[in-house]
Amino acid sequence: NAGVTQTPKFQVLKTGQSMTLQCAQDMNHNSMYWYRQDPGMGLRLIYYSASEGTTDKGEVPNGYNVSRLNKREFSLRLESAAPSQTSVYFCASSRGKGYVANYGYTFGSGTRLTVV
Amino acid sequence: TQLLEQSPQFLSIQEGENLTVYCNSSSVFSSLQWYRQEPGEGPVLLVTVVTGGEVKKLKRLTFQFGDARKDSSLHITAAQPGDTGLYLCAGPTIKAAGNKLTFGGGTRVLVKP
Repeated sequence: NAGVTQTPKFQVLKTGQSMTLQCAQDMNHNSMYWYRQDPGMGLRLIYYSASEGTTDKGEVPNGYNVSRLNKREFSLRLESAAPSQTSVYFCASSRGKGYVANYGYTFGSGTRLTVV
Repeated sequence: TQLLEQSPQFLSIQEGENLTVYCNSSSVFSSLQWYRQEPGEGPVLLVTVVTGGEVKKLKRLTFQFGDARKDSSLHITAAQPGDTGLYLCAGPTIKAAGNKLTFGGGTRVLVKP
């Protein structure tokens, strides 16, 4: 029962470098999400995908891009990393697809990213 | 804009004591979810409450959804060190596809042995 798998678990980048955070789920869930979590700021939604082939911006999309590669995989890309993007990044998935939203999320264990 | 406010932000208690965490909003939610996040891990879903006035119990944890579906509480009886973590409430964002949730800011609970 893998659930949601995120890679890498830790990463240090220099300002201006790019990288892709990978996320895969094996629960046949429709929707997938990327959050960042900063001290005192709670969970903030970066991007989400309601279904394969669709993506939408969340609260804090600037500086990020996403790709819903297939139903299982949803990647987050930082094109030019900045120190303000130092954070813990969580990927999540849920069964929900439409506008009725009572399904819980399954989260990955996170990627701890430091930009120096 | 739907907002969920959690209180208190931080709670430190001794093992065996009881505690209550609150989640409040000015908006009506069709349901509310509670998650617990342990250090170094992602949040884990504890419960979903759907009906106004609903009470759900999970061992020593009691969850209540307000009659007007604008608030919820989590009560822990005889807290144990294993209950330490960040407790988050979340509710569905209206008019948003993809089961989009709004999260509260969380309550950090520390249970000392």
